[in-house]
Amino acid sequence: DSGVTQTPKHLITATGQRVTLRCSPRSGDLSVYWYQQSLDQGLQFLIQYYNGEERAKGNILERFSAQQFPDLHSELNLSSLELGDSALYFCASSARALGGEKLFFGSGTQLSVL
Amino acid sequence: GQNIDQPTEMTATEGAIVQINCTYQTSGFNGLFWYQQHAGEAPTFLSYNVLDGLEEKGRFSSFLSRSKGYSYLLLKELQMKDSASYLCANYQAGTALIFGKGTTLSVSS
Repeated sequence: DSGVTQTPKHLITATGQRVTLRCSPRSGDLSVYWYQQSLDQGLQFLIQYYNGEERAKGNILERFSAQQFPDLHSELNLSSLELGDSALYFCASSARALGGEKLFFGSGTQLSVL
Repeated sequence: GQNIDQPTEMTATEGAIVQINCTYQTSGFNGLFWYQQHAGEAPTFLSYNVLDGLEEKGRFSSFLSRSKGYSYLLLKELQMKDSASYLCANYQAGTALIFGKGTTLSVSS
């Protein structure tokens, strides 16, 4: 158990809908990362937050947004869902936001858009 | 991943040794990670190299050559449970930990 908690584990929804994925980092970790994993693209970095502030942005679509709350949990909001958004979404955390820190991953949310 | 290259698939037999190679862009280098990921599960940390040379950790070892932008993961005494994807990753300036597409290793008896 990495100590990173993600809910829900599975989510099935329809095109055009909006969903929210939730992540609680390991106790004491200030940095949260979101990744998307699909079969053809591998593990793609979406966005990082550190202590409530956006720190780095990757290949995140404009339809997607995230935030980190004062208690350090994070939410990833996906809107106007398309079939191609079906993927495994991982949250990871680290103590700070330094290069060279290893990340601890949650067990992921499997999103299926029908 | 951004200019992180590793083979897509490899196969090996139980008890054998396998080497998984990874090449990466050297600019802004800040260490090289290897993660293991079983199908449908979370990636788990295996190793981190920031200096040149070999780091050994039980059956797994990882090597780094910074000048060549090259790393490999060496798995010895392969077991069936080692069947998984192995992800090479590094931090890149302005982003976070960026992963290669992974090498799927199949171990057969």
